[in-house]
Amino acid sequence: QVKLVQSGPEVKKPGVSVKVSCAASGYGFTNFGFSWVRQAPGQGLEWMGWISAYDGSSHHAQRFQNRITMTTDASTNTAYMELRSLGSDDTAMYYCARDRITVPGNKDYWGQGTLVTVS
Amino acid sequence: QSVLTQPPSVSAAPGQKVTISCSGSRSNIGNNFVSWYHQVPGTAPKLLIYDNSKRPSGIPDRFSGSKSDTSATLGITGLQTGDEADYYCGTWDSGLSAWVFGGGTKVTVL
Repeated sequence: QVKLVQSGPEVKKPGVSVKVSCAASGYGFTNFGFSWVRQAPGQGLEWMGWISAYDGSSHHAQRFQNRITMTTDASTNTAYMELRSLGSDDTAMYYCARDRITVPGNKDYWGQGTLVTVS
Repeated sequence: QSVLTQPPSVSAAPGQKVTISCSGSRSNIGNNFVSWYHQVPGTAPKLLIYDNSKRPSGIPDRFSGSKSDTSATLGITGLQTGDEADYYCGTWDSGLSAWVFGGGTKVTVL
């Protein structure tokens, strides 16, 4: 069955970077893409960006311009999201979600979430 | 301020029906497919409806989706206590070149 397993919780100081991983199994890794979605405490879902595991093409939300890097590694079936220059408002649960291969669309499977605390 | 507008909350008694609206514009709902997600607090979101009205395998037919012009609607019939969750609509916004979510709607079973 499809599974997305994310890396563990992180505590970071303001100004540094965090890199979250998302290990996929149970399907053809390069046949899909990944979206990264975060949720601040008590808030709604916020889409951060999408990457195709097929060709590495990507889109990201404008507010993360120059701060986010998304990558995939087909040799380990793992997607990564790095967020730089962390601030306290980046404290949130970060989710990876399986997405469409060519453009962002339905997010049909989700990881369990990675809590990132900036303090 | 979300690009897609949802009511903050809806409620109904067990067995009743609720509908959740998701209002957008021509650049998002008007020209792209809508999907719906539900999230029990403390857990990851789950896909409920995709391509406006399709249900993934395992989602009961009590859940339905529709779209008209620049608005989408999620319907839940035969409401159960287990349906208490937050529900989010989402779609691609061609003007922003970004995926957008609604602000979320909390469903309460009275």
